[in-house]
Amino acid sequence: EVQILETGGGLVKPGGSLRLSCATSGFNFNDYFMNWVRQAPGKGLEWVAQIRNKNYNYATYYAESLEGRVTISRDDSKSSVYLQVSSLRAEDTAIYYCTRGRGRFDYWGQGVMVTVSS
Amino acid sequence: AIVLNQSPSSIVASQGEKVTITCRASSSISSNYLHWYQQKPGAFPKLVIYSTSYRASGIPSRFSGSGSGTSYSFTISRVEAEDVATYYCQQGSSNPLTFGSGTKLEIK
Repeated sequence: EVQILETGGGLVKPGGSLRLSCATSGFNFNDYFMNWVRQAPGKGLEWVAQIRNKNYNYATYYAESLEGRVTISRDDSKSSVYLQVSSLRAEDTAIYYCTRGRGRFDYWGQGVMVTVSS
Repeated sequence: AIVLNQSPSSIVASQGEKVTITCRASSSISSNYLHWYQQKPGAFPKLVIYSTSYRASGIPSRFSGSGSGTSYSFTISRVEAEDVATYYCQQGSSNPLTFGSGTKLEIK
């Protein structure tokens, strides 16, 4: 059974930074691209970042709205993916979902809440 | 970036009614790369239709999708109470990956 679990959310002050973690199991992590997708309260879905697998040299891609403030990384030995977000703003307040997939997201975690507030 | 214009933004339907949601892309995309998700209240999104017309595992046959080029649609042939959710289209053709703005389905 595929399992995806995000951790690391919480309350952060504006200008602060946060590292989200996503632990996975139940599939061959090395074979898959992984993504982060976020959803602000009461709003729609926004793709944040993608990291490809070793076959694609772990290439990374980012949403323009966040580029320069986010870094996605992965540890294949731990079947985990991470999202580092810096210079946090109120508009970064959202549920952050970890998802599996190259062009479509076939499995999702439950999400982790990030609140940016003073 | 490919913009997906999804309409309507909300639908109120009776049980047993047919509902259709449209998704128009700002540029042509292969039908292999257009997908639909269902997000029930308080839950994470779930893949319902992938590559325009293929139902994901466990998805009932009342859900279907069609389209090509820049115009795609998602249909529930006979709405049930459990279908109350927000539905999103999404393109995986090129980065940045993008979603439509969502369609909220409510039951009368």
